[in-house]
Amino acid sequence: DAGVIQSPRHEVTEMGQEVTLRCKPISGHDYLFWYRQTMMRGLELLIYFNNNVPIDDSGMPEDRFSAKMPNASFSTLKIQPSEPRDSAVYFCASSLDRSNTGELFFGEGSRLTVL
Amino acid sequence: LAKTTQPISMDSYEGQEVNITCSHNNIATNDYITWYQQFPSQGPRFIIQGYKTKVTNEVASLFIPADRKSSTLSLPRVSLSDTAVYYCLVGDLRNQGGKLIFGQGTELSVKP
Repeated sequence: DAGVIQSPRHEVTEMGQEVTLRCKPISGHDYLFWYRQTMMRGLELLIYFNNNVPIDDSGMPEDRFSAKMPNASFSTLKIQPSEPRDSAVYFCASSLDRSNTGELFFGEGSRLTVL
Repeated sequence: LAKTTQPISMDSYEGQEVNITCSHNNIATNDYITWYQQFPSQGPRFIIQGYKTKVTNEVASLFIPADRKSSTLSLPRVSLSDTAVYYCLVGDLRNQGGKLIFGQGTELSVKP
């Protein structure tokens, strides 16, 4: 398996623009997570899905952030409008509910810079 | 959710054994203890998981005392490539619906 695939790897945009980050989880995994990482706040859980259904979005910072999972193989995290304080590395991770360990498999991240 | 406390940073030299301790005083009965490793510009990577006593794999050992209020990740004979941030997580993906919170982690620096 190719692992969790995220795109784009890097994005630079201007304040006010819409940003869409994409994630393809590992085939067969039924949990999908979106995390954000900054130097100041570390790794923050934004939202997670189980079987394509959002379970907990209490970590989503504001209404400017939204996430969808239209099917088992694709999820998006959208920021509209973007602000400089949204600059961070955004990680997607997936997991298999029936695994013995509940291990999270992370993608390589999308580094977002908002000017 | 159990809160974890780890040292912010540690230094070591190549070939030494490194022990990183994590405190989790309010761990619940069904919680497991999981450690992740993160290199710069990469996502965290699972290292090891345990519930009690000792677990060992090809990468590390995990020691958990009987009261489970702490755990120690042991890395034998570290090399420069072990320089990374190590996170301790406490929880149970299966029973608590998947909400796993990362703490601040321990930044390990291995020197030649």
